[in-house]
Amino acid sequence: QKEVEQNSGPLSVPEGAIASLNCTYSDRGSQSFFWYRQYSGKSPELIMSIYSNGDKEDGRFTAQLNKASQYVSLLIRDSQPSDSATYLCAVNFRDRGSTLGRLYFGRGTQLTVWP
Amino acid sequence: EPEVTQTPSHQVTQMGQEVILRCVPISNHLYFYWYRQILGQKVEFLVSFYNNEISEKSEIFDDQFSVERPDGSNFTLKIRSTKLEDSAMYFCASSTSGGALTYNEQFFGPGTRLTVL
Repeated sequence: QKEVEQNSGPLSVPEGAIASLNCTYSDRGSQSFFWYRQYSGKSPELIMSIYSNGDKEDGRFTAQLNKASQYVSLLIRDSQPSDSATYLCAVNFRDRGSTLGRLYFGRGTQLTVWP
Repeated sequence: EPEVTQTPSHQVTQMGQEVILRCVPISNHLYFYWYRQILGQKVEFLVSFYNNEISEKSEIFDDQFSVERPDGSNFTLKIRSTKLEDSAMYFCASSTSGGALTYNEQFFGPGTRLTVL
């Protein structure tokens, strides 16, 4: 069974602070890693993808991947109240013989940014 | 910006009835997926579809479920005889890449909320 674990929070940070979200995954064969943002009652929105060890930056978001530790994180700099949402970690794993991978999701971390 | 669309946004049905959920993937995407999310729970993979056939399906995707691409744009999920436990948000997703080189960025539609009474 492939597991994706996130600290469920809630995580509460003041506006302008850095929010740090963490995720671990169980399967070393996992190939690509994603962060989705999900507002209440809405669908997951892709915000970051990362495939190689190290950091990847996109605007205020930085994703970090450490495959040896099976760990992926998301940093949100200069957090804004509009960042308040649930952040889902998703891991793509492709079974042998399968053409496509499937995403395994964590339960999500609820982030609140207060003004 | 192109996006995945889904209809209806909300479907209410009686237990035992058949429902069809519809999706229009992003136009240049070739790989299609259905996921579901029961209220308060994780997003769960149901099925992936490429080149007019199922690529992979989860344990959830039993004989009551089927998928089809009836024309060049629509991608449908059919539940033949709905159960109470099928009540969930159903998300369609699509991606441009698949296979050995895939990074498989999947873009989700807004979802269909299915309520089975």
